[in-house]
This record gives sequence, structure tokens and C-alpha cells, in this order.
Amino acid sequence: ETGVTQSPTHLIKTRGQQVTLRCSSQSGHNTVSWYQQALGQGPQFIFQYYREEENGRGNFPPRFSGLQFPNYSSELNVNALELDDSALYLCASSLEGTAGTRAQYFGPGTRLTVL
Amino acid sequence: EDKVVQSPLSLVVHEGDTVTLNCSYEVTNFRSLLWYKQEKKAPTFLFMLTSSGIEKKSGRLSSILDKKELFSILNITATQTGDSAVYLCAVGSGNTGKLIFGQGTTLQVKP
Repeated sequence: ETGVTQSPTHLIKTRGQQVTLRCSSQSGHNTVSWYQQALGQGPQFIFQYYREEENGRGNFPPRFSGLQFPNYSSELNVNALELDDSALYLCASSLEGTAGTRAQYFGPGTRLTVL
Repeated sequence: EDKVVQSPLSLVVHEGDTVTLNCSYEVTNFRSLLWYKQEKKAPTFLFMLTSSGIEKKSGRLSSILDKKELFSILNITATQTGDSAVYLCAVGSGNTGKLIFGQGTTLQVKP
């Protein structure tokens, strides 16, 4: 059984640039959630994708967008990067996005630094 | 506003000690409460609790949920240096599977 994988591991960008982060869900899982974790804080929910559609969104601006593909992998896109976007971006997969009673399993994350 | 609060924020103990980590929550449309262990990057799933009063146990770790008083505890007995990590509590809310995380408790176990 393959766990959740994310790429790249690290990324350095400058303000105003755009970035795409990628996530492959654990085998058998059809739902992907994205979280932002600032240093010393708990992860903050960005959004979730289920059946290739956004299924809930946290308090993040529209410049944070995503996609889910038919194989359940997902991308997180962030436009017009700001310094405060520097964080660890975590992807989590689960089986079925509804009801909120499915355990989510996390990938190793992408560390984004915005200069 | 939904919130999850963990205490203490940090803890230093010696190997063999028993620790209790606390998590309280105020979340609308509660679905589940989850505990994770985060060492370097990826939070590792420990437990998911949905019913009050039923203890979940895995080796030296155990957890219980009180839905009336809106809290959970995570116990670790006979701690080892490998237990050193940040322990995250999260509450599942609504139908989207959104998890609301606490700030985490940093546990350091000294030899």
C-alpha cells in the first residue's frame, strides 16, 4: 500500500510569483485535503477535493486554488505569492469526503519559502 | 468561531514517566476528534474518536473523549525518547471532512 506523497519537498519563490504543489493520495483513497502549517502552529484547512470538485474551503483567499484529477491526485496552486505564504503545505487523503468521520492520512509536506 | 485548545503547550519529562495531554474544543457540527503525532513533517495518525467514554488504546498510548464536557485526553505511559514529538489534536466538523487543529503540545522525553 502506497502512502501519501508530495512534491517538491522544498521550494523557494519570490513575492508575486506563482507556485504549484502536487499530491498523490494513498492507494484506495478518493479524497484529498490541503492544509497550511505555519511554524509553531497547527495546520489550517485550505480546501478539500472529492470527486474532482471542491468540497469545502477554509478562510483562504481565491488566489489559493486547486484541482483533483481522475486518479485522485491533486494540485494546490497559489498565485501572487506573499511573504506570509511561507509555510509547510500538507496534503492529506481519506476515503470519502463526506460526514467528517474518516481519518485523514498526511503526506510529508512541501516547505515553501517566499522571499 | 470554532476552536480547539491544547494544553500544556510544552512538556518535558523523563523516560518512564506517564503524561496526559489535554484537548478541549468548541466546534459546531462535531463529527470526530483525532490525535496525530508530528515528528519532522508528516503528522502520523494515532486515534479517531467519535463516541464518548470509549477508550481507544494502542500499546502505551490511549485516548478517551467526553462529548458532554467537550474534551479529550491522550495518555502515554512508560514514555520513551522516541515519544518526543508534537502531538496534535484535531476535530472533524461538518460534512466536508474539514479538520480544525489545536496548536499542538510539544513533548520532550529526556533519557
